[in-house]
Amino acid sequence: DTGVSQDPRHKITKRGQNVTFRCDPISEHNRLYWYRQTLGQGPEFLTYFQNEAQLEKSRLLSDRFSAERPKGSFSTLEIQRTEQGDSAMYLCASSLASVDEQFFGPGTRLTVL
Amino acid sequence: AQSVAQPEDQVNVAEGNPLTVKCTYSVSGNPYLFWYVQYPNRGLQFLLKYITGDNLVKGSYGFEAEFNKSQTSFHLKKPSALVSDSALYFCAVRDTNAGKSTFGDGTTLTVKP
Repeated sequence: DTGVSQDPRHKITKRGQNVTFRCDPISEHNRLYWYRQTLGQGPEFLTYFQNEAQLEKSRLLSDRFSAERPKGSFSTLEIQRTEQGDSAMYLCASSLASVDEQFFGPGTRLTVL
Repeated sequence: AQSVAQPEDQVNVAEGNPLTVKCTYSVSGNPYLFWYVQYPNRGLQFLLKYITGDNLVKGSYGFEAEFNKSQTSFHLKKPSALVSDSALYFCAVRDTNAGKSTFGDGTTLTVKP
């Protein structure tokens, strides 16, 4: 257990529905990252926060995806109008500073039917 | 732009033999380099990192990695492999001027008794 938690661990939804995932980072970590991982590939960067500020968002990310970190603590990732291609493992990670290693949560596995 | 290549999808070694998992990178500035390991049904765990200084870095579980700037490589090594080292290994790079990390597609290490 790295100290980063994600909820839910699994989510099955129908195409077109909205889903929201939550990440609770290690409490003193001010950086929080979201990644997507599909089978046979490494984690793909989605977005990251420094405290409550969203500093970068992947150009690959469509505007159906939005993330927030309202008080610089937990974060949520919302996917609107889900598509089958959104099926993946969504990973959250946190770090204390930019040079530090990231601590990953267990992930949320999304299946879009 | 930054990128990582792990040229081997799979590495097989016998227990007690040395192991090497290869990683090459491309960044526009100076790199921060990381190795992570993923055991079955577990989240990614940090192994070691290179930020600056000594080119040979030592990490968890007896692993080490050598930063080679001229060859843009950061190969992961261990003098004597254990069956319990069998897992999926990811190399990651971050340009010192960037916020996000880019991960390779992973190398599956299998250590046979």
